Amino acid sequence: NAGVTQTPKFQVLKTGQSMTLQCAQDMNHEYMSWYRQDPGMGLRLIHYSVGAGITDQGEVPNGYNVSRSTTEDFPLRLLSAAPSQTSVYFCASSPYSGRSETQYFGPGTRLLVL
Amino acid sequence: SQQGEEDPQALSIQEGENATMNCSYKTSINNLQWYRQNSGRGLVHLILIRSNEREKHSGRLRVTLDTSKKSSSLLITASRAADTASYFCATDTGGFKTIFGAGTRLFVKA
Repeated sequence: NAGVTQTPKFQVLKTGQSMTLQCAQDMNHEYMSWYRQDPGMGLRLIHYSVGAGITDQGEVPNGYNVSRSTTEDFPLRLLSAAPSQTSVYFCASSPYSGRSETQYFGPGTRLLVL
Repeated sequence: SQQGEEDPQALSIQEGENATMNCSYKTSINNLQWYRQNSGRGLVHLILIRSNEREKHSGRLRVTLDTSKKSSSLLITASRAADTASYFCATDTGGFKTIFGAGTRLFVKA
């Protein structure tokens, strides 16, 4: 199994541009989530999903959209990038149906917004 | 706002010594988890302790939970240079959202 994969690894955007961060898992996990990590801070939950077709907001959802059309994929869309969205983004999944415990994390996407 | 707060923010020890990190949280929890993050990598789950448990072991790791004080500690015994990483506590209050603290940076000198 590849586990949780994220693309791209690194991206530079200009203010106002939009883009999609890809996340995929091959472990048949129902629960998936997106976090952002900023220097000196822990991870902050952006959005999460407890199964295909079901998504909900986390702590910091503004400026981000998600969709979950399949169990495997959970893309994160930045609608209009802002410098405040410069961060490292992590996708994660959990093997426990509908619960966020014991999450497996992807390697992260480093995003720089100029 | 962050639920968990780790203490200390940074810790430097010699190889072979024990490392203790603490986590305090604000509201009632279902479980508390500890994760490790090596520089530039994603997080790796270490151990989970449920609210009705007081202590749990996994290899060289020992986690305690005191729900009356809303605090947890992670002890790494006989530390190795490879244990150098950031360690995060994460609390689960309702099953769907896991909230992470800011982490403790551990440096183990060989």
